Amino acid sequence: AQRVTQPEKLLSVFKGAPVELKCNYSYSGSPELFWYVQYSRQRLQLLLRHISRESIKGFTADLNKGETSFHLKKPFAQEEDSAMYYCALKGGSQGNLIFGKGTKLSVKP
Amino acid sequence: NAGVTQTPKFQVLKTGQSMTLQCAQDMNHNSMYWYRQDPGMGLRLIYYSASEGTTDKGEVPNGYNVSRLNKREFSLRLESAAPSQTSVYFCASLGAESYEQYFGPGTRLTVT
Repeated sequence: AQRVTQPEKLLSVFKGAPVELKCNYSYSGSPELFWYVQYSRQRLQLLLRHISRESIKGFTADLNKGETSFHLKKPFAQEEDSAMYYCALKGGSQGNLIFGKGTKLSVKP
Repeated sequence: NAGVTQTPKFQVLKTGQSMTLQCAQDMNHNSMYWYRQDPGMGLRLIYYSASEGTTDKGEVPNGYNVSRLNKREFSLRLESAAPSQTSVYFCASLGAESYEQYFGPGTRLTVT
């Protein structure tokens, strides 16, 4: 079964601390994975796509097929990073996304 | 270029009432989606439309109907609202050659 697991509902860190939001997936085949972010009272927007292998707002995510993981990392968290983060897997030919349950990141001053 | 728009932003319904949530996109995207967002449940796909004139069920379609009116518009209808349908509803669209789904601002629905 295709599934995305985000084990942490809430992650709280202090400003300047490293952040790692965990994401594990279940998918038979070559996965296409994304991280979406939702800032307070805003719409969801794409943060990262694993194929692009780029860094956005200091965040990076590496696909580890052996561990079936796509963890999101940032070396030094900022208060403006506080948001809801969703890991998503492209699960079908129609481009349907399967979302994890989300992790709320809170960065304290 | 407004992107994806949704109306209304907020709605309160009584159990048994009906309503239609409207979604429109101006990016000439083929695919459109309806999700619901619930605390601790993430986003779950209700219905999607891969192209004008086609619709398919997602993960949680019960209690909902959809209409792909034209390429721009994709509406979600609740025929007889239930408290379990209290949620935030998001519409999204995807271009044929794209990988990024664009989301609307959401509709916060409360059913009492």
